[in-house]
Amino acid sequence: AQSVTQLDSQVPVFEEAPVELRCNYSSSVSVYLFWYVQYPNQGLQLLLKYLSGSTLVESINGFEAEFNKSQTSFHLRKPSVHISDTAEYFCAVSDGGSNYKLTFGKGTLLTVNP
Amino acid sequence: DADVTQTPRNRITKTGKRIMLECSQTKGHDRMYWYRQDPGLGLRLIYYSFDVKDINKGEISDGYSVSRQAQAKFSLSLESAIPNQTALYFCATSPRESSYNEQFFGPGTRLTVL
Repeated sequence: AQSVTQLDSQVPVFEEAPVELRCNYSSSVSVYLFWYVQYPNQGLQLLLKYLSGSTLVESINGFEAEFNKSQTSFHLRKPSVHISDTAEYFCAVSDGGSNYKLTFGKGTLLTVNP
Repeated sequence: DADVTQTPRNRITKTGKRIMLECSQTKGHDRMYWYRQDPGLGLRLIYYSFDVKDINKGEISDGYSVSRQAQAKFSLSLESAIPNQTALYFCATSPRESSYNEQFFGPGTRLTVL
């Protein structure tokens, strides 16, 4: 069975600082990887995804994540965060098999302070 | 805009009451999912459906039931609500042709069982 580990439950940072949210997964097959973001009092929105090809994927608001197969990781990074990036971030994995399910990590709460 | 909607958005009920949460989508997706979110636990799958005649239990289905009334509608019922079912509930959809299971989420229903 797949599992996703988000190593930090909370990450506080100051505005304009860099941030890395860590995600590791366990799967013996090829995977598809996702980062979702949940802003306060809202649902989950897809931030970015790795399906195939380039291992570095980017979002429209400056986040990027790198798929590392050897380390089974998909860490999320941003070089300079804004107050508006305060949210909970969820890493998710799918093996694309017939179960058609996503397995989610427990989430990382990113709090950006002025 | 094609969307996933959930009603009600907030609900307070008492122990032992029957309650139904509804999900509708205009995305034309075949697959629909119900999750619950609890602080520190991430998202856990309750039930999922691949079409009107195909309903499957997720990892935490005890105490819940579902009905897929049409391709666009998927309802979650708590037959006899209990306080530990207090949580944030999300509906999600995914297109049949998606082999990587990207999911699209509704805004959530916050349920409190007293």
